[in-house]
Amino acid sequence: DGGITQSPKYLFRKEGQNVTLSCEQNLNHDAMYWYRQDPGQGLRLIYYSQIVNDFQKGDIAEGYSVSREKKESFPLTVTSAQKNPTAFYLCASSKWTSGRAGEQYFGPGTRLTVT
Amino acid sequence: SQKIEQNSEALNIQEGKTATLTCNYTNYSPAYLQWYRQDPGRGPVFLLLIRENEKEKRKERLKVTFDTTLKQSLFHITASQPADSATYLCALDRVNTGNQFYFGTGTSLTVIP
Repeated sequence: DGGITQSPKYLFRKEGQNVTLSCEQNLNHDAMYWYRQDPGQGLRLIYYSQIVNDFQKGDIAEGYSVSREKKESFPLTVTSAQKNPTAFYLCASSKWTSGRAGEQYFGPGTRLTVT
Repeated sequence: SQKIEQNSEALNIQEGKTATLTCNYTNYSPAYLQWYRQDPGRGPVFLLLIRENEKEKRKERLKVTFDTTLKQSLFHITASQPADSATYLCALDRVNTGNQFYFGTGTSLTVIP
């Protein structure tokens, strides 16, 4: 059964702690993305990766870090430098065809609460 | 900078009617546009993609139009059902990239039985 998994679904952390959100896909997609969703706002791009061992910052990368050591995995670390980390985090992947990304397949999301 | 606007935060319609959602964009010309459905607490699910050289795309009860002159896409759900109640997002590819998208804030649709 192909798809994207994110874990955990809910995550609670104390302020000042780093936390890593997991994202795994078995769709054999080259491109992977991390978005943040806040109430009343659209999805905002944090980081994306087109190939293994390569990734680029999106619009709101400050306070976040990623790695892409395997095609299937794209973990996101929310560091203590992120000023407002409480949000719904979505991971996505897409095929890469003729130099363009196609439709995005999203995971179920992780809701992070930092107090 | 590029901007995407989706019509009114919430749309309520009667079951059986056609729902029409709007996605307007400014300051750039996307090569293609996508529509997604998102249920509360879940990730978006892809519905339809339309390219700049296509005027209209259909899939079952769904229809998308793309007017590059007006810089607008319309998303129609005909014969709407309560199960169509969700938030609908439009997404546009970013200029000079093939791999990034801008997402609108979404329109919440409620179909009343």
